[in-house]
Amino acid sequence: DTGVSQDPRHKITKRGQNVTFRCDPISEHNRLYWYRQTLGQGPEFLTYFQNEAQLEKSRLLSDRFSAERPKGSFSTLEIQRTEQGDSAMYLCASSHSVSGNTIYFGEGSWLTVV
Amino acid sequence: GENVEQHPSTLSVQEGDSAVIKCTYSDSASNYFPWYKQELGKGPQLIIDIRSNVGEKKDQRIAVTLNKTAKHFSLHITETQPEDSAVYFCAASIANFGNEKLTFGTGTRLTIIP
Repeated sequence: DTGVSQDPRHKITKRGQNVTFRCDPISEHNRLYWYRQTLGQGPEFLTYFQNEAQLEKSRLLSDRFSAERPKGSFSTLEIQRTEQGDSAMYLCASSHSVSGNTIYFGEGSWLTVV
Repeated sequence: GENVEQHPSTLSVQEGDSAVIKCTYSDSASNYFPWYKQELGKGPQLIIDIRSNVGEKKDQRIAVTLNKTAKHFSLHITETQPEDSAVYFCAASIANFGNEKLTFGTGTRLTIIP
């Protein structure tokens, strides 16, 4: 079963460094989402793609964050000049527009900024 | 925007008893309500969902009810087992073209006491 795949699963970085996370959605899912989750909280929406088009961005997505989905398949989320407040789990999810918006999440990428 | 409140934040039940988790939402336009189970260090796993055109949905030991008038929905787990111990999140969204983001509750930590 090819579920949503995220890489790396864990990343420790020094403040000020750049990090990039990759997400491979479920095959043939045309919608891809990024969420952020901090300890004790529910996931918060960051951004959403349909195919290669980025259709919505949350105000949580500051200028230091950029997401791409160049060919409508995998996606990357880059955080530039990381800050300690960026420490969180970054979740990727995917769905298909025809299947009624059932959204499936990956296992997440844990980021710790030291 | 949408706001989802979830109660209780923690719940302990004896193995074999039932557990009920309740959520309320603010946006009357929301029409899709999934529930996710999250185990430690893992991503959220969809366990059941309901759309606004039905009032109840059941899948084995799990059921969800929806009251659109009152804008609340509930998760019911019967005959609880130790493996049901996890954090459960409710969510709401407006499932239409181009606006698919989920707004999550703050989670309920369910502990099943053997």
